[in-house]
Amino acid sequence: QSVLTQPPSVSGAPGQRVTISCTGSSSNIGAGYDVHWYQQLPGTAPKLLIYGNNNRPSGVPDRFSGSKSGTSASLAVTGLQAEDEADYYCQSYDSSLSGVVFGGGTKVTVL
Amino acid sequence: QVQLVQSGAEVRKPGASVKVSCKASGYSFTNHYIYWVRQAPGQGLEWMGIVNPSGGSTNFAQKFQGRVTMTRDTSTSTVYMELSSLGSEDTAVYYCARPTPGTSGWYLEYWGQGTLVTVSS
Repeated sequence: QSVLTQPPSVSGAPGQRVTISCTGSSSNIGAGYDVHWYQQLPGTAPKLLIYGNNNRPSGVPDRFSGSKSGTSASLAVTGLQAEDEADYYCQSYDSSLSGVVFGGGTKVTVL
Repeated sequence: QVQLVQSGAEVRKPGASVKVSCKASGYSFTNHYIYWVRQAPGQGLEWMGIVNPSGGSTNFAQKFQGRVTMTRDTSTSTVYMELSSLGSEDTAVYYCARPTPGTSGWYLEYWGQGTLVTVSS
């Protein structure tokens, strides 16, 4: 069981908007720790997609956006494209565990 | 540019140990921590621990304490992760990653390519 909870899968047609939730608790997201998001294409290492809740690294399209509120965070993908089909993971820090925690991952399927 | 290059795939028998290396380049090695994260087949990401290349201090996830060792060689800018008493559940891809400090928490900006460790009798 992952400390951060994500839906196992979401899907959408090309051009649509999908969102992925990441639910934590008072010892991680709710404690004010940042949430970061990673995209993992099949057979490759994870790639940083969003850092510090809502910041995009250079080169990440503005179709990707992040938000955080209370004990949860969300990743939104607008204008869904075939190349967005991948696994997405949220990550934060947990003070009770004194370490990094990840969500279980969400598979995005483009219909 | 920052690069983390890991050693090749390994196969071990149950009960054995494995040592994975991660060679850093493109930045000042002792100025940045290194994390280790693993991913079992078809599963999510799991944080294992962190090593400070400057002084060699470490911090491990409770699950791995007593079974994992993380070391570094500053002369070659390489960090090592050794996992002992391997079981089939340790079959996974092991990643090293370089974290960057954010406003409140660290994020993993650079990743190695991953090392597949297979535990099988």
